[in-house]
Amino acid sequence: DGGITQSPKYLFRKEGQNVTLSCEQNLNHDAMYWYRQDPGQGLRLIYYSQIVNDFQKGDIAEGYSVSREKKESFPLTVTSAQKNPTAFYLCASIDRASGNTIYFGEGSWLTVV
Amino acid sequence: GNSVTQMEGPVTLSEEAFLTINCTYTATGYPSLFWYVQYPGEGLQLLLKATKADDKGSNKGFEATYRKETTSFHLEKGSVQVSDSAVYFCALKGGNAGNMLTFGGGTRLMVKP
Repeated sequence: DGGITQSPKYLFRKEGQNVTLSCEQNLNHDAMYWYRQDPGQGLRLIYYSQIVNDFQKGDIAEGYSVSREKKESFPLTVTSAQKNPTAFYLCASIDRASGNTIYFGEGSWLTVV
Repeated sequence: GNSVTQMEGPVTLSEEAFLTINCTYTATGYPSLFWYVQYPGEGLQLLLKATKADDKGSNKGFEATYRKETTSFHLEKGSVQVSDSAVYFCALKGGNAGNMLTFGGGTRLMVKP
């Protein structure tokens, strides 16, 4: 079945370490997004990519990096520069052919210990 | 820029009570409006959507009407169930912001038996 797969679902990180969250989609969607969710703050856009080999900063890009070398993959790296990385991270993609329907992954919980 | 404001939670209701979660938005152009639901431990799921003024989105007994005159998209359900307990997010996309999704802060609903 087609969909968006995020991994890992749960991740613990020591302070000062970089970690990479995986996001893979087999839906043939061009546009992909990373959101961060904090309690009481809803979802905030970190980075987005409208096409392979291109990506743009969202509202809270500091301390994060992404790549888009393949259409199917949009990994997010949480760097040591991110001061408060503990959060729930959601990856999404858009199907323009169906009127821009947005599909979400199941999310990844990152906890800094 | 675009923004979405929804009522703060938590909203606590008894089973079979009537539910309203308010959502208002600010946007340029003609955005599409969405309600997403997040069940405990899961990612976001699209609940319903409306793409133009006066459209009514509906799904699983939930309804919301796109009111351009009041810039609102309130979520309603006539009789809630315990299984409806979740966090509900109002969102908009489009207008002058293209494919960017803008989310409200989320409203937690708790339904007691």
